[in-house]
Amino acid sequence: GAGVSQSPSNKVTEKGKDVELRCDPISGHTALYWYRQSLGQGLEFLIYFQGNSAPDKSGLPSDRFSAERTGGSVSTLTIQRTQQEDSAVYLCASSLAVAQGPYSEQYFGPGTRLTVT
Amino acid sequence: QKEVEQNSGPLSVPEGAIASLNCTYSDRGSQSFFWYRQYSGKSPELIMSIYSNGDKEDGRFTAQLNKASQYVSLLIRDSQPSDSATYLCAVLYSGAGSYQLTFGKGTKLSVIP
Repeated sequence: GAGVSQSPSNKVTEKGKDVELRCDPISGHTALYWYRQSLGQGLEFLIYFQGNSAPDKSGLPSDRFSAERTGGSVSTLTIQRTQQEDSAVYLCASSLAVAQGPYSEQYFGPGTRLTVT
Repeated sequence: QKEVEQNSGPLSVPEGAIASLNCTYSDRGSQSFFWYRQYSGKSPELIMSIYSNGDKEDGRFTAQLNKASQYVSLLIRDSQPSDSATYLCAVLYSGAGSYQLTFGKGTKLSVIP
């Protein structure tokens, strides 16, 4: 079946502009996650959704970052007034549910490479 | 602070040998553990999951979990050059209604033909 899809695959933007990144999870997956991976760095958790609600926003780096999910499916991560330090690969993942055990297995999309000039 | 520690490597093994990758974690209450493979320029790919103490085998891969020692490992038998990648250990932490998958920084594996 279809995996997690993300768009755009690459985004180059000027400092100070707003950007929107989109994630379409695997059909039937109720949980959706956003991560960031900077060059040579580990995966940094940003936010997750259970259905349309976001129980944990603790990973968002600043109030310039926001995310929403509607209809229990597609999610959008928005970065306002982008800064050069926002340059990274933004990864989305989905899982059947948010719980310990096999339902929690997360499958990643291909990512969006964001470059802020 | 929830932590996952891995040796960054690089770990070099000859083709056909066993590669052994190790990971320790900080939260004794963790119940779900994962290994991801990440090729350069690609996103992480789930290759193994383990939830109970002992070994779990899938093809050439074996995951081992020891909750008492807070230790997870991945063995790759008959290593192939195509196994050359960074391997990420991940631990699912839960508490106060939140679930967060925490990743180690990864071990880079090189399989030498």
